[in-house]
Amino acid sequence: EAQVTQNPRYLITVTGKKLTVTCSQNMNHEYMSWYRQDPGLGLRQIYYSMNVEVTDKGDVPEGYKVSRKEKRNFPLILESPSPNQTSLYFCASSPTSGGPWETQYFGPGTRLLVL
Amino acid sequence: AQSVTQLDSQVPVFEEAPVELRCNYSSSVSVYLFWYVQYPNQGLQLLLKYLSGSTLVKGINGFEAEFNKSQTSFHLRKPSVHISDTAEYFCAVTSVISGNTPLVFGKGTRLSVIA
Repeated sequence: EAQVTQNPRYLITVTGKKLTVTCSQNMNHEYMSWYRQDPGLGLRQIYYSMNVEVTDKGDVPEGYKVSRKEKRNFPLILESPSPNQTSLYFCASSPTSGGPWETQYFGPGTRLLVL
Repeated sequence: AQSVTQLDSQVPVFEEAPVELRCNYSSSVSVYLFWYVQYPNQGLQLLLKYLSGSTLVKGINGFEAEFNKSQTSFHLRKPSVHISDTAEYFCAVTSVISGNTPLVFGKGTRLSVIA
């Protein structure tokens, strides 16, 4: 089944404790992206990747890191999480090089609480 | 830069009644427009998209949207809603010009269908 998977789905952590949220897709998509969703703000893009070893900042990159060493994986790293990073996170992927006409396929989301 | 305004944060409607979810966008260049739906506790999935051609776009689950360039709108409609349409709906826009342009989402409209 074609899908985007994220792990963990739920995470409670404390300020300053490094964490990684994994994202994997099995559709051979070049383009991958991370969003955060906050009430009343919709989805905002954190980082995106056009292909392996190619990443760039989205609208709200502060406090996050990403890497794209393999085509299928795009982990999101919070080196020192803070309470304002409490949010619902979505990974998405799309085919070719993320042409703006392409449909994005979303993972199920990761709900993060930083105490 | 593009922006999206979803004019209603919540829309309650009776089952089998028609519904319209409003979306206006702002952009200095040509755009592609999308509607995504998020069912409870799930990721987003594409309902429909406008790329070019006919301004009336039909999507899944009986939804349709009409692109109006002069009014910079892309309202979503369904003639008769079901309980299962209860979800959050996001309008999104991206620029035609660059493949690097990320999706810009509206803040969402929560549709509640009442039996």
